[in-house]
Amino acid sequence: DTGVSQDPRHKITKRGQNVTFRCDPISEHNRLYWYRQTLGQGPEFLTYFQNEAQLEKSRLLSDRFSAERPKGSFSTLEIQRTEQGDSAMYLCASSFDSVTPGDTEAFFGQGTRLTVV
Amino acid sequence: GNSVTQMEGPVTLSEEAFLTINCTYTATGYPSLFWYVQYPGEGLQLLLKATKADDKGSNKGFEATYRKETTSFHLEKGSVQVSDSAVYFCALSGGGGTASKLTFGTGTRLQVTL
Repeated sequence: DTGVSQDPRHKITKRGQNVTFRCDPISEHNRLYWYRQTLGQGPEFLTYFQNEAQLEKSRLLSDRFSAERPKGSFSTLEIQRTEQGDSAMYLCASSFDSVTPGDTEAFFGQGTRLTVV
Repeated sequence: GNSVTQMEGPVTLSEEAFLTINCTYTATGYPSLFWYVQYPGEGLQLLLKATKADDKGSNKGFEATYRKETTSFHLEKGSVQVSDSAVYFCALSGGGGTASKLTFGTGTRLQVTL
């Protein structure tokens, strides 16, 4: 397994366009997370899935954002009507449930850098 | 809600110097604490973790001790190398929030020179 992979690595789009990012987690991991990281800041949680169920969404995730994980494997994050403020690095991570909450390692992909012009 | 505060960077050190990066947190209950590292051009990697009070996490010469009384998880290394140059993020999970959702600090850039 090559770890968590994200596609594309870079995306430049015009304001108002829709974009979609893909994340392929580590195959046996049942949890998948999306984070957003802006320059000089730490990653901020957006949403997470356990298998195909989306269990939590941050208030950061406006109604222009939607995420899916249709078969509990890969996930997509779509941003509709992009705005300049959406420019950021979008990170995906995956993990496997542990009996002990917090005692599990999240593995991160290299991210998709979005630039909205 | 949960929050993490870490010292601002950049931190510039000479090789073999002692490193401390301060991290304090706010959370209810008993969060798990983590240090992640991001090397240039790479994704975030878990460096070390501690899941209960007084636990010490260690890896690659780095150490951090979970101090509940001071709500701190400071990162230390006795002798840094040029290859340690990276951005270091302190993070927590649990502590009243979703068990495995991570809350990160803003990151501290470390630059080690010869």
